[in-house]
Amino acid sequence: GAGVSQTPSNKVTEKGKYVELRCDPISGHTALYWYRQSLGQGPEFLIYFQGTGAADDSGLPNDRFFAVRPEGSVSTLKIQRTERGDSAVYLCASSLLGLAGRRITDTQYFGPGTRLTVL
Amino acid sequence: DQQVKQNSPSLSVQEGRISILNCDYTNSMFDYFLWYKKYPAEGPTFLISISSIKDKNEDGRFTVFLNKSAKHLSLHIVPSQPGDSAVYFCAAGGSQGNLIFGKGTKLSVKP
Repeated sequence: GAGVSQTPSNKVTEKGKYVELRCDPISGHTALYWYRQSLGQGPEFLIYFQGTGAADDSGLPNDRFFAVRPEGSVSTLKIQRTERGDSAVYLCASSLLGLAGRRITDTQYFGPGTRLTVL
Repeated sequence: DQQVKQNSPSLSVQEGRISILNCDYTNSMFDYFLWYKKYPAEGPTFLISISSIKDKNEDGRFTVFLNKSAKHLSLHIVPSQPGDSAVYFCAAGGSQGNLIFGKGTKLSVKP
C-alpha cells in the first residue's frame, strides 16, 4: 500500500525503559507530523518536520521526548525513561508540501498509530 | 484550555436520516477547518474541509457549514448509512503546520 505506515503497531514496555516508534510517510511527502492520542481525547500535536528539520516541536511534553527524520523520509519518535502517563496511541501523519503549500489543500494523511502501553 | 470543542461525545441516528455533528472553536486566527473520520484501530481519515472565507462546502453526502461569528461549524451527513458509524473529529488549522483537534463524537447509525 502507499499509505503512512507505523511500526510497531503495539508496544508494551516497563516504566523507565526507552522506546522508539517508527513512521514511514507517503513517498514524496515533505512534511511529517507526530500526534499523541490519549483515551477519550483527540490527537494532540507533538512535532512537525519540514524535510529533515523540525519546523515546530512545541508540542513535545518534555525533554524525554525526541524525534528525528535524518533523510527527510522515515521518522523515529524516541521516548526516554518512559512513564505510565506516556501510555497512548502515537499517530504519524504526512502531507505533500507542508509549509511550502496552501495549508487547506495540503491534506494530512494519518497512519494507523502505535499503541504504547507503559506498565 | 481547549481551542476546539466537540461537546457531544456520542450521537445515535437511524439509517437514512440526517446526522449533524457540531464543533465550536475559540481561536479566531484559525483559517481552515477539517473533519476526520476514525474507525477503531485505524488512523483518522480526512473527510472534508472548509476555508474560513466560506460558509459551506459540500461533497456528496457530506456538507460542512461554518458560522464564523458564532465560531461554530457542523458536519451534516445525509442520508446516514451504517458504514458511517465511526468517531468524527473536528480539527482546525492556521499558519502553523499542526492541526488542533476536538475530542471527537462517536456516531452510531442504526439500521
